[in-house]
Amino acid sequence: RKEVEQDPGPFNVPEGATVAFNCTYSNSASQSFFWYRQDCRKEPKLLMSVYSSGNEDGRFTAQLNRASQYISLLIRDSKLSDSATYLCVVTDYSSASKIIFGSGTRLSIRP
Amino acid sequence: DGGITQSPKYLFRKEGQNVTLSCEQNLNHDAMYWYRQDPGQGLRLIYYSQIVNDFQKGDIAEGYSVSREKKESFPLTVTSAQKNPTAFYLCASKMATHEKLFFGSGTQLSVL
Repeated sequence: RKEVEQDPGPFNVPEGATVAFNCTYSNSASQSFFWYRQDCRKEPKLLMSVYSSGNEDGRFTAQLNRASQYISLLIRDSKLSDSATYLCVVTDYSSASKIIFGSGTRLSIRP
Repeated sequence: DGGITQSPKYLFRKEGQNVTLSCEQNLNHDAMYWYRQDPGQGLRLIYYSQIVNDFQKGDIAEGYSVSREKKESFPLTVTSAQKNPTAFYLCASKMATHEKLFFGSGTQLSVL
């Protein structure tokens, strides 16, 4: 079983729609969680950290469910510029510096 | 400006040849990482280093080697033992006390 698993998509939604992605992780002792965004053949960029209490940044909301070992990302009022691959990232507790990426979920926003 | 520099941007390897990818950072970061990305896939961890002169294997270390002789530098050698080296390679770094990863712009390695 992969340490971090994501639905690869692609998700193809109209502009203005709300879209949600989930990500599951296998290590119950995992420490920190993030969502990164990656445009085609570019380096990933941090979108937001994910906290147990849930957190919001503009149109983006992230949630963590430790009991079920999944994290989610919700994008409201999607824009054309949101088209990208979204990577779920988990820090391994046994080695705080080991950072594991999911395989990514592709999102395409159509006009 | 501070950042991470990877070079070259494109690299070609002949059969049986070792090649080295460069990664330099001037952010004074403690930890450095190498990831491999295949088309349509996520990032897979090759090696990482938390301090100078120390590094650990990631999930796909076979066929690769690294060194960390200086804090600023973490070169990756793709050896001839790596039979399928064609991929996009990303170097990243972070401070020990912070969680945000900073990435270089990547090196695309192809086999001739």
